[in-house]
Amino acid sequence: QVQVVESGGGVVQPGRSLRLSCAASGFTFSLYGMHWVRQVPGKGLEWVGVISYDGSKKYYADSLKGRFTISRDNSKNTLYLQINSLRVEDTAVYYCAIAPNYSGYDGAIDYWGQGTLVTVSS
Amino acid sequence: DIVMTQSPVSLPVTPGEPASMSCRSSQSLLQSNGDNYLNWYLQKPGQSPQLLMYLGSNRASGVPDRFSGSGSGTNFTLKISRVEAADVGVYYCMQPLQTPTFGGGTKVDIK
Repeated sequence: QVQVVESGGGVVQPGRSLRLSCAASGFTFSLYGMHWVRQVPGKGLEWVGVISYDGSKKYYADSLKGRFTISRDNSKNTLYLQINSLRVEDTAVYYCAIAPNYSGYDGAIDYWGQGTLVTVSS
Repeated sequence: DIVMTQSPVSLPVTPGEPASMSCRSSQSLLQSNGDNYLNWYLQKPGQSPQLLMYLGSNRASGVPDRFSGSGSGTNFTLKISRVEAADVGVYYCMQPLQTPTFGGGTKVDIK
């Protein structure tokens, strides 16, 4: 079945960098765009960014541009999120999810992973 | 950015009874082809969000038909015809028309 599994979270000091991974299975990864969405514990959802199926296009939330980089390795069926200069306010659960195409509509975000918790603290 | 506003913030419900929640967008989500770029999600306690509805009124795969979405432009509604205990959680609306943004959520729990 379709599955995405995030990993790489943990406790990190402010100013450090971290790379999250998202392993995909059960579907043809190289055909789908992929999203990252984050959620501060107990709070709402915040979209981080999206990457096209082939990695040629990337879009980010304006507030996160510059420190966040999404990439993918289609040969490994894996999505990545690099976060630099981590801040306390980046503490959140980070989810990856698929950008499916439903009858020509590519605006849905579907098949979310269980998330990986990033805690930024000294 | 398009601002998404949901109401109510909290919605106590009685099993077997209907429930309804609202989502408003700061800009119209209606496209020239009649599609509304509006999705609904449910995040059950301790779980990841799951897609309920897309294009405002299309149920995602596996979503029971007691869920229905309606509305157009800037005003949208999600209705549950007969609430079940499994429906508790936080419901979010989201627009993908511009930089994706989510509403603040409506928390549904059992009275």
